Amino acid sequence: ETGVTQSPTHLIKTRGQQVTLRCSSQSGHNTVSWYQQALGQGPQFIFQYYREEENGRGNFPPRFSGLQFPNYSSELNVNALELDDSALYLCASSLGGTHQETQYFGPGTRLLVL
Amino acid sequence: SQQGEEDPQALSIQEGENATMNCSYKTSINNLQWYRQNSGRGLVHLILIRSNEREKHSGRLRVTLDTSKKSSSLLITASRAADTASYFCATDERTDKLIFGTGTRLQVFP
Repeated sequence: ETGVTQSPTHLIKTRGQQVTLRCSSQSGHNTVSWYQQALGQGPQFIFQYYREEENGRGNFPPRFSGLQFPNYSSELNVNALELDDSALYLCASSLGGTHQETQYFGPGTRLLVL
Repeated sequence: SQQGEEDPQALSIQEGENATMNCSYKTSINNLQWYRQNSGRGLVHLILIRSNEREKHSGRLRVTLDTSKKSSSLLITASRAADTASYFCATDERTDKLIFGTGTRLQVFP
C-alpha cells in the first residue's frame, strides 16, 4: 500500500458529461501527478501539481483540468467527455515537484464513457 | 506520446526461471525507473537507476542502464507466480514529464 487513495474506483458516464476524480496524496508529499492509461498501453502524463500550482502538462486538451488543495490532495476534471476518454486514471504523489524521484501511485479510477 | 519501448511485449516462463525485459528510450535522461502493475491497477515502484549508474540490485531484481545505447534491462531471478504482472520502464528524458513505455506482460506459470 502506498498511502495514495483515489475515488471513485469505477465510474460510468455518457458522452458530453463532466467528471471529477479525486486523489489523496501520501502523507508528507506535496506533488501530485495525473496519468491516463488506455487499455493495453502505458500511462500517459496529463499534468502535475506542486504546492497548489500546475507544474507541467502533457499533450491533453484544456477540457482536462485540475486542482490541488492546501492539504495537497487533488482533483482531475474532464469536461465534454468523449468515448476515447475511457481509461484508467492514475494519480501519483511525490515530493519535490520534479519527475526525478519515485512516484507513489494510487489504485486508479476506471472511467467508462458510453 | 510514449517514448520508451519495452521488449518483449509479452513473456511466458515457468516458476524458478529468470525473466529479462528490455527498455529503449530516445533522448538523454536524468534517471530511469521500473514499475510493476497488477491487473490494470495502480503501479508499484520497483527501482530507480540514475544516469551515472550502470547497475543496481534490489532483492531478486537487477537493473542495468546503458546510456550510450539508450537502453535498460530488468532481470527478475528465480521468478514466482506472484511476479505475474505488467512491467513498465519510465524516463524523465530531461523534461518535466515522466514518460512510460508500452510495457512487458509477464506470465509466470507454477
